[in-house]
Amino acid sequence: KNQVEQSPQSLIILEGKNCTLQCNYTVSPFSNLRWYKQDTGRGPVSLTIMTFSENTKSNGRYTATLDADTKQSSLHITASQLSDSASYICVVSGGGADGLTFGKGTHLIIQP
Amino acid sequence: SAVISQKPSRDICQRGTSLTIQCQVDSQVTMMFWYRQQPGQSLTLIATANQGSEATYESGFVIDKFPISRPNLTFSTLTVSNMSPEDSSIYLCSGTLADSYEQYFGPGTRLTVT
Repeated sequence: KNQVEQSPQSLIILEGKNCTLQCNYTVSPFSNLRWYKQDTGRGPVSLTIMTFSENTKSNGRYTATLDADTKQSSLHITASQLSDSASYICVVSGGGADGLTFGKGTHLIIQP
Repeated sequence: SAVISQKPSRDICQRGTSLTIQCQVDSQVTMMFWYRQQPGQSLTLIATANQGSEATYESGFVIDKFPISRPNLTFSTLTVSNMSPEDSSIYLCSGTLADSYEQYFGPGTRLTVT
């Protein structure tokens, strides 16, 4: 069964600090892995998309890594800002009608 | 890129009634999908909206409960029929462009059934 597991479930850090979110997946076949940011009351917005051959991809202060051998990904946020408070969802493409398997997300809170 | 809008953004409905949610895309998307997101949970695919034909439903979702229309490449509707409190959720529309991995999401419709 295709699954995407994210950790931690929730995280609270102080503004300006860095943090790393984890994603493990068992999706086959694998096409790509995406990280989305979902603000409260909004739809998910794509941060990064990585294919099998990509190990890292950055989008501003967000850097995603992918290890296709161990089926793990991480999202690193540098110098966090209050606006980073959101849910971060790991999504793996390769299964299902829409081709996507969603993780449950990590709820990140940035405190001033 | 594509910008997706949904109407209404939120609604409070009585048990037994129906609500139709509209999804409008500013580009011609190849695929359109409807998702449900319950509190604290991730997204669950309800169905694929097919242009000019019946939608393709995922296990656990049926056409009588969630009728879907997609008359063209930029517009779709989802109706939540005979609502019960268990239908309280956020409903999201999404679309993909041809030759792109990117999937775009609407802002969601927050439905509360009393």
